[in-house]
Order: sequence, then C-alpha cells, then structure tokens
Amino acid sequence: DQQVKQNSPSLSVQEGRISILNCDYTNSMFDYFLWYKKYPAEGPTFLISISSIKDKNEDGRFTVFLNKSAKHLSLHIVPSQPGDSAVYFCAASMRFGAGTRLTVKP
Amino acid sequence: KAGVTQTPRYLIKTRGQQVTLSCSPISGHRSVSWYQQTPGQGLQFLFEYFSETQRNKGNFPGRFSGRQFSNSRSEMNVSTLELGDSALYLCASSRGGETEAFFGQGTRLTVV
Repeated sequence: DQQVKQNSPSLSVQEGRISILNCDYTNSMFDYFLWYKKYPAEGPTFLISISSIKDKNEDGRFTVFLNKSAKHLSLHIVPSQPGDSAVYFCAASMRFGAGTRLTVKP
Repeated sequence: KAGVTQTPRYLIKTRGQQVTLSCSPISGHRSVSWYQQTPGQGLQFLFEYFSETQRNKGNFPGRFSGRQFSNSRSEMNVSTLELGDSALYLCASSRGGETEAFFGQGTRLTVV
C-alpha cells in the first residue's frame, strides 16, 4: 500500500543552508497533502499542507511545492536550523511515507 | 484543550495473547485513525473510524480490529500476537475530511 513514498531515508545539511525533502505519490485522486514532523518519543505534529489547486504554499521558513503532473511534492526549509532535526513525513489521505530523517549540523 | 491521549504508554505481551489499546481524541474530533510505526517502515495505516463507523482500512490482517464509541473514543485490538507486531502504535484524531491530524504519543507494544 505504498501510495506515498519518501525515497530518501536521511538527509544531512549545514545550519543556514536549504533542506529539501522529497515525496512521491501514486494515487492521482489525492488532492490534499500534508507534512508532519516527528521528534523521538513524541507523536508526529502537523507542519504544513497544500491543496492540489495550488502549486506552492509558504509558512515562514517552510515552503511546500506540488507538481501534480509528476505526482511529486517537496518541502523546503530555509534557512535550516539545528532544531529542525527530526523525522519528516509526507502524507495524503491518511497514507504516510516512510519518513526522512533530517539532521541539521551547527 | 487536552490533546490526544493514548493508554497505556508501554505494554509487554507474550506471543499468542491479545491486546487492547485505547485512544481518547481531542474534544470535538470525530475521526480517529490508527497507525503502526516500525523502524524503516514509516507510519503504516491501520484504519480510520468516523462517527463509530470504520470508514477506511489499510492492508493489515484481520487480527487487527478496532471500534469507536459514541464519545469518539476508540480502541484497537490485536489478537494472537506475533513477534512482528512489536511496534509503536499511534492514534490520530481530526475533524474529518482533509484536515490535519493530531497524534497521541503512542503505545509501545513489545511482544516476547
């Protein structure tokens, strides 16, 4: 049931640089996408979302881009901070990707 | 307002036993969904309940079942436990539809 895929299990970036996390989906019926952030020993928390009628949504340092034709979305974090180090999950219609562990080095 | 509460936080069971996990959603939320998290597998969707009805189901065997009560509280049951059922089980509540979900801290189940 891998309808949402995050193919990069981990990503390491330097503080102040851009972090780009990618997500692909297979179901063209998905029309709303969410990103969640998870710290150890806590449940995921909502970060940002995007509707399929948009191709970009921005909230502070976080921007999500949606490419419907490619069934691909990405989360950009600029500038990255050490506190952003966590596992990031992409989700659609209650289906989650496997997550990408982001490490931001000081 | 209070967040999503899952009980118990930790549980150790023996193979073959059955287990029931509980989830109290945020007040006013009618949708409760359950997930299994194992290393490298991300969040695997188990099922979703909305107004006491199972509305959506993932690809898990029939040993995994759930229910929702009239106050939106939900329980998940796993029968005939296997070692591979050891995981973090997360519950999430939402208003329903395409809205953000709020997660509990999870129940860590260990099957020995």
